[in-house]
Amino acid sequence: AQSVAQPEDQVNVAEGNPLTVKCTYSVSGNPYLFWYVQYPNRGLQFLLKYITGDNLVKGSYGFEAEFNKSQTSFHLKKPSALVSDSALYFCAVNRETDSWGKLQFGAGTQVVVTP
Amino acid sequence: DGGITQSPKYLFRKEGQNVTLSCEQNLNHDAMYWYRQDPGQGLRLIYYSQIVNDFQKGDIAEGYSVSREKKESFPLTVTSAQKNPTAFYLCASSMDKGNQPQHFGDGTRLSIL
Repeated sequence: AQSVAQPEDQVNVAEGNPLTVKCTYSVSGNPYLFWYVQYPNRGLQFLLKYITGDNLVKGSYGFEAEFNKSQTSFHLKKPSALVSDSALYFCAVNRETDSWGKLQFGAGTQVVVTP
Repeated sequence: DGGITQSPKYLFRKEGQNVTLSCEQNLNHDAMYWYRQDPGQGLRLIYYSQIVNDFQKGDIAEGYSVSREKKESFPLTVTSAQKNPTAFYLCASSMDKGNQPQHFGDGTRLSIL
């Protein structure tokens, strides 16, 4: 069975500092990996995905993520955080061998960016 | 603009009452999903559908029912058998391919009167 772990319930960072949100996964075979962001009382918004190719994936709003196969990780990063990045972030995984889009989501990490 | 529309945004249920949450998409996606979100618990899958007239139970289907009579629509009924229905409900859709992201509506918040 596939699973996703987000080890930090909350990440606190000062505006302008680098932001990292951690994600590790467990799947049999090659993974498809996704990051989403959720603002209060809103649905999830897709940020970026890793399917194959370059381990560094760039996405929306200046976010990027690094796929590390040996560490089974897919950490989300932003070089300089903004107060508006304060939100709930979800990592999700699917398997390459799965023919359709049923995802396994992590529990979420709350990001708080202070001015 | 293409997207997913959930309605109503807020819903109140009385004891013993069934309520139906609407989800409509115009993205021409084959697959649709319903999730329940409780504080600190992330998303839990209630039901999903890969194709019209077919749907499967997710991890927490008890007390819920769905239908998929049209490609665009996937309504969720919260029945009186669901004893703790207070939650934020999210509908999503995707292409029927594993490497495609899910697209989400803005949710319905259900509360007990």
